Amino acid sequence: DADVTQTPRNRITKTGKRIMLECSQTKGHDRMYWYRQDPGLGLQLIYYSFDVKDINKGEISDGYSVSRQAQAKFSLSLESAIPNQTALYFCATSEGDREAYEQYFGPGTRLTVT
Amino acid sequence: DAKTTQPNSMESNEEEPVHLPCNHSTISGTDYIHWYRQLPSQGPEYVIHGLTSNVNNRMASLAIAEDRKSSTLILHRATLRDAAVYYCILRRPFNKFYFGSGTKLNVKP
Repeated sequence: DADVTQTPRNRITKTGKRIMLECSQTKGHDRMYWYRQDPGLGLQLIYYSFDVKDINKGEISDGYSVSRQAQAKFSLSLESAIPNQTALYFCATSEGDREAYEQYFGPGTRLTVT
Repeated sequence: DAKTTQPNSMESNEEEPVHLPCNHSTISGTDYIHWYRQLPSQGPEYVIHGLTSNVNNRMASLAIAEDRKSSTLILHRATLRDAAVYYCILRRPFNKFYFGSGTKLNVKP
């Protein structure tokens, strides 16, 4: 089974709708992240969480919110989706108490806002 | 923000070594240099990281300039499965990663 899972894998929604993307991990990591990727571009950090009580904005948090329901779960919400939020969204995790560690990425959620 | 500069694309022949360059002239003393790659239709995956010294692992080698303002990811024998976008990233303290646009590596048979 995958260590980092994302649901749904694909979603098409209409402008103005509220949508939630979910991420779960079985790695036991404290730190979780949400990124978006636009076609042909790198990843941009939306939000990150160092533990259940610590949530921080990334580079492009406007229009997004997050919830860290448990150590293993980190959800990303679009309160009122707009077309330019059409992108590929990745969740990632990493260990929290070591100096320089890798991030483990989920398979991504492809979101289309019409 | 810690920025890196990479060529947009590179091409290599299968079974030959590949050197992927990265410039990071604004690197600070506490920044680690990480490399990730993203295969088509997948999330990024870790390749290697280092601070000051050159590093080797089963996937690749990382050569870091003495002034740390540039680094090179070395794939010793490129295979078709190495075709991907390679990201050079500076990891700031508290584990934040900033991805750039990366280098798309094309491997020719």
